[in-house]
Amino acid sequence: SAVISQKPSRDICQRGTSLTIQCQVDSQVTMMFWYRQQPGQSLTLIATANQGSEATYESGFVIDKFPISRPNLTFSTLTVSNMSPEDSSIYLCSVALGHRSYEQYFGPGTRLTVT
Amino acid sequence: AQSVSQHNHHVILSEAASLELGCNYSYGGTVNLFWYVQYPGQHLQLLLKYFSGDPLVKGIKGFEAEFIKSKFSFNLRKPSVQWSDTAEYFCAVNYGGSQGNLIFGKGTKLSVKP
Repeated sequence: SAVISQKPSRDICQRGTSLTIQCQVDSQVTMMFWYRQQPGQSLTLIATANQGSEATYESGFVIDKFPISRPNLTFSTLTVSNMSPEDSSIYLCSVALGHRSYEQYFGPGTRLTVT
Repeated sequence: AQSVSQHNHHVILSEAASLELGCNYSYGGTVNLFWYVQYPGQHLQLLLKYFSGDPLVKGIKGFEAEFIKSKFSFNLRKPSVQWSDTAEYFCAVNYGGSQGNLIFGKGTKLSVKP
């Protein structure tokens, strides 16, 4: 397994601002992912963070709203831009350690509240 | 649309009771199946997984799950729960080996009374 950390663990932000969430892994991984868990809902994949190329976004998520960086094999960031109260969620990063991209291990999450 | 259903929102059991949490998925093709657990104050942990082979999968802490293809189900079981099993349990499905995408159920909160 891997040790995955996220910063910040929680934040309260005002609408219209942006927040960047960091995800750090203690070993090199090829695939990293970002999920959102809205209150009372299940986890939903936002995008796959690819090292050396642009992120791949799922339907309903766009780069302008959720820009992602993946500068190396142990680190990624997700920015939630121009926030509104509807963005209040838990944001989680995950990594795939083996060749199966769907066998994923999750970080502790970032709880975001937008006022 | 591909989806995952967990039928029980909140289950309350006494210690030593048997547990079965339901999970159904919507697609009849190749699937990869997972159960995750989130203990209070902790992050999601992989409890068990199924890719192929024996449909009865054993995971950590005495949990097991059975893949029944004809019922599109992957129910989680434990013969005798403990207070320390109090947590939220999430079923997740990857459809057809599609790159990375896990579809999660809404989760089942399990409360075990001592």
